[in-house]
Amino acid sequence: EAGVTQFPSHSVIEKGQTVTLRCDPISGHDNLYWYRRVMGKEIKFLLHFVKESKQDESGMPNNRFLAERTGGTYSTLKVQPAELEDSGVYFCASSQDIKNVKSGELFFGEGSRLTVL
Amino acid sequence: DAKTTQPNSMESNEEEPVHLPCNHSTISGTDYIHWYRQLPSQGPEYVIHGLTSNVNNRMASLAIAEDRKSSTLILHRATLRDAAVYYCILSDWNYGGSQGNLIFGKGTKLSVKP
Repeated sequence: EAGVTQFPSHSVIEKGQTVTLRCDPISGHDNLYWYRRVMGKEIKFLLHFVKESKQDESGMPNNRFLAERTGGTYSTLKVQPAELEDSGVYFCASSQDIKNVKSGELFFGEGSRLTVL
Repeated sequence: DAKTTQPNSMESNEEEPVHLPCNHSTISGTDYIHWYRQLPSQGPEYVIHGLTSNVNNRMASLAIAEDRKSSTLILHRATLRDAAVYYCILSDWNYGGSQGNLIFGKGTKLSVKP
């Protein structure tokens, strides 16, 4: 079974440009999460989708970030316009129905590294 | 802020057991204790989680103190592949809680010597 896949693995853009990151969760996982690690900091939660709905977007840093999950399958995270401080690694994760507390496992992708010059 | 405290780094010899400690003195009754690890250039990987009782799986064991204010991740025989940063994370998985919002701290960087 395929794991969580993210694309691109690395993106280099200039300040002010737009970048769109894509995440394909594990098939059948309703829950999809975005996290990121910016330089020198800890991994931080950005937001959580349940199917196509945003369940929690409390970690989104500002309105330059837009996450979508049309149809409840894959998700995109757009940064527009990108700033230098957005450089870092963006992780996507997915999980099954988390009402089943015996699970509690998030499956992470390998991340998309974003470099803003 | 992370609600857990872990040593910054630890070293182990290959094929020896490793005990990774974690303090979480402010844990609430509905907090689960999760452990994730991150190998170089990869995303975090689930290791184990528990609530009150000790837990075992194919990767590791989790020993939880009776008062739940601390826990220990046990790797029974460390391999070179176990070299990673290990994160101890508290999360309230009750419905309506901060589901999936894992608060990562700095973790413990485990080095394994051959």
